[in-house]
Amino acid sequence: QKEVEQDPGPLSVPEGAIVSLNCTYSNSAFQYFMWYRQYSRKGPELLMYTYSSGNKEDGRFTAQVDKSSKYISLFIRDSQPSDSATYLCAMRVNTGGFKTIFGAGTRLFVKA
Amino acid sequence: GAVVSQHPSRVICKSGTSVKIECRSLDFQATTMFWYRQFPKQSLMLMATSNEGSKATYEQGVEKDKFLINHASLTLSTLTVTSAHPEDSSFYICSAVRKGRTSGSSITDTQYFGPGTRLTVL
Repeated sequence: QKEVEQDPGPLSVPEGAIVSLNCTYSNSAFQYFMWYRQYSRKGPELLMYTYSSGNKEDGRFTAQVDKSSKYISLFIRDSQPSDSATYLCAMRVNTGGFKTIFGAGTRLFVKA
Repeated sequence: GAVVSQHPSRVICKSGTSVKIECRSLDFQATTMFWYRQFPKQSLMLMATSNEGSKATYEQGVEKDKFLINHASLTLSTLTVTSAHPEDSSFYICSAVRKGRTSGSSITDTQYFGPGTRLTVL
């Protein structure tokens, strides 16, 4: 079993839709959770990070962490064609080792 | 915001040659940098952790004699793929850690990624 599971998609939605991206994980020691956006042939770009459980909102993006279920989500409201990219969840145990584990990434297509 | 650069952005080489990829943190000092490899439609796989002034730490299954890492300064790490073969063709991405301003707290440390280097070995 992988430490982090993420559906690779692709996920295709119409412009303006609410997008829900999810990851599950098995290591209960993970405390630091991140979402990255990666455009084709580019490096990942940090979108949001959350420490421990709870919600965090930034503009059209909302990140949720449910440690009891070992489940994290990223919601994108009013999705735009420019949101079309691969979204990677990532997480790590909050230690000095800083070893980040990534999900496989979900490819998102937002159709105009 | 923090910027991490990589050079070159893409390289095509013949089998058996060596290729060097540079990773620079442009506006912060990074004592730790990471090197990842990403195959098409797959996630990032950590290859090694590069620490300034000391030997790199390699992940299991990564040949340290094939993937030479040098972290000579607080803003530069290099990855050299020695005697490259077609199976080494991949997207190589580095990242650098910027320490948070809160003393003693690793929570605010942030990992920034470079734009990646696409290596094609013929």
